[in-house]
Amino acid sequence: KQEVTQIPAALSVPEGENLVLNCSFTDSAIYNLQWFRQDPGKGLTSLLLIQSSQREQTSGRLNASLDKSSGRSTLYIAASQPGDSATYLCAVRLAGANSKLTFGKGITLSVRP
Amino acid sequence: DAGITQSPRHKVTETGTPVTLRCHQTENHRYMYWYRQDPGHGLRLIHYSYGVKDTDKGEVSDGYSVSRSKTEDFLLTLESATSSQTSVYFCAISERDSLRNEQYFGPGTRLTVT
Repeated sequence: KQEVTQIPAALSVPEGENLVLNCSFTDSAIYNLQWFRQDPGKGLTSLLLIQSSQREQTSGRLNASLDKSSGRSTLYIAASQPGDSATYLCAVRLAGANSKLTFGKGITLSVRP
Repeated sequence: DAGITQSPRHKVTETGTPVTLRCHQTENHRYMYWYRQDPGHGLRLIHYSYGVKDTDKGEVSDGYSVSRSKTEDFLLTLESATSSQTSVYFCAISERDSLRNEQYFGPGTRLTVT
């Protein structure tokens, strides 16, 4: 059974800091990995999707990397801002027909002004 | 934003009553999913659909049923609600054959069973 772990559960940083959020998974036979953002009381917003054949994806100040062999992904946020405060979740999809996403529990990020 | 709506957005109901939550999409995506989100458990898949009238169970399907009679609508029914089903329910959609294959989420329904 695929397990996805995100540690720590919460993180507080000063504004302007570059930071890395970690995600680890137990089964390396993944189809892709997706990073989401969730604001309090809201739904999930897709940030980045990395296919299993890719090493990284970038969108603005966000960069996500994937190392399938070690079962790890990182989300790098450059020059953090208070507006980046949210919960960040990673989810992996196993290879195979009709496979589903397995989610980590998320990292709650607080960026202090 | 992907065209996904959920109704109702909030509901309070009593133990033992039936409840139906609706997810509606305007993207014509093939796959639709129902998740629940609880503190300490994260997001867990309840049921999903891979086409009209094609559904399958997720990891926490007990006490829930689903139906999909049209591409755009996916209904989640709690036949007899229990307090353990108090949660936030999210619908998601995905186009299986697209290169990007992302899942897009609806705004959620907060259900309280008293």
